[in-house]
Amino acid sequence: TQLLEQSPQFLSIQEGENLTVYCNSSSVFSSLQWYRQEPGEGPVLLVTVVTGGEVKKLKRLTFQFGDARKDSSLHITAAQPGDTGLYLCAGARIGGKSTFGDGTTLTVKP
Amino acid sequence: GAVVSQHPSWVICKSGTSVKIECRSLDFQATTMFWYRQFPKQSLMLMATSNEGSKATYEQGVEKDKFLINHASLTLSTLTVTSAHPEDSSFYICSARLQGLDEQYFGPGTRLTVT
Repeated sequence: TQLLEQSPQFLSIQEGENLTVYCNSSSVFSSLQWYRQEPGEGPVLLVTVVTGGEVKKLKRLTFQFGDARKDSSLHITAAQPGDTGLYLCAGARIGGKSTFGDGTTLTVKP
Repeated sequence: GAVVSQHPSWVICKSGTSVKIECRSLDFQATTMFWYRQFPKQSLMLMATSNEGSKATYEQGVEKDKFLINHASLTLSTLTVTSAHPEDSSFYICSARLQGLDEQYFGPGTRLTVT
């Protein structure tokens, strides 16, 4: 069983603060996805990282894939209330099912 | 692009009845669809992988006779919860994957309440 450990599980911060969410595994993935989910809705794809060491930016969000393709991080700069949600990382293996992390519930207070 | 719909968005049924949930990929063909169950403030729990034209692959602990999955076409998969009981109440989410890619595109989910 491939495990994907995500931390922290819960995070409550003030608007304007920075934060980082981590996703770690002992397994190598062909790619890794980050999703964001709001209550009562399905997850929405934010980004896919494929190459070891890859860094992708999406406005105030920075995603990094570890050199060995076993871990990833999501950094949010100057968080806003609209960033509130459940963040999920998912490691994929070619042709197989994805392994999801336990999720990080982020609350950004105004 | 890559839009997935789910119907119904919510359903209330009586214990012992069956409920069918539809998952459609609207603008692409999905050879593989996934069905998940999610409890409040928790991550997704994979129930089964649905492949067009073949039998679904169920995860350990998921009763295939209770959660019937049919993937009749490249754009439609259905999940039928048979003889539903209150403990089946949950948020069910489907996703679809384009062939050759790792990303999953999720439907908006179906809230099932069994009374």
